[in-house]
Amino acid sequence: AQSVTQLDSHVSVSEGTPVLLRCNYSSSYSPSLFWYVQHPNKGLQLLLKYTSAATLVKGINGFEAEFKKSETSFHLTKPSAHMSDAAEYFCVVSATPGNTGKLIFGQGTTLQVKP
Amino acid sequence: NAGVTQTPKFQVLKTGQSMTLQCAQDMNHEYMSWYRQDPGMGLRLIHYSVGAGITDQGEVPNGYNVSRSTTEDFPLRLLSAAPSQTSVYFCASSSFLTTNEKLFFGSGTQLSVL
Repeated sequence: AQSVTQLDSHVSVSEGTPVLLRCNYSSSYSPSLFWYVQHPNKGLQLLLKYTSAATLVKGINGFEAEFKKSETSFHLTKPSAHMSDAAEYFCVVSATPGNTGKLIFGQGTTLQVKP
Repeated sequence: NAGVTQTPKFQVLKTGQSMTLQCAQDMNHEYMSWYRQDPGMGLRLIHYSVGAGITDQGEVPNGYNVSRSTTEDFPLRLLSAAPSQTSVYFCASSSFLTTNEKLFFGSGTQLSVL
């Protein structure tokens, strides 16, 4: 069965310092992996997606993630945090092979950015 | 460009009441789904639909009904509300014609059941 585990429920960084949000996954097939972001009182927005092409995926707003099959990880990074990055981040895996739209969400990581 | 529209944004119900959460999309997407979001649990899939007339259960379907009579609309019905259904509900849609699997989300409905 597919699953994702976000290793930190809360991450706090200072503005201008790097961001690392950790995600491990479990999949019985080659998965599609995603990161979504949710700003306060908003819906979710796709940050980036991995679908078995390049293992380093670049997303919006300077975020990127690296797919590491040997470590079953898909960590999200950003070189320099901005105040506007404060939000809830979800690591997501496709529930079934192919483009079905069914997704399994991690528990979420709250990113706090301090001035 | 409206995207995915959910109504209402907020709702308070008493235990045992029924109601329908509305979801509409104007992107001609085949796939629509409902998720509930609870603290510390991420989003969990309630029901989904791959096209008009076709629905199926997700991870947490009990207590909810859906139907898909048109491509645009995918309402979620609570037949007899329970406090355990207090949550934030999100509707989402996507197109099978893209390889992106990108879900477009509505802005959510915050439901409280007393």
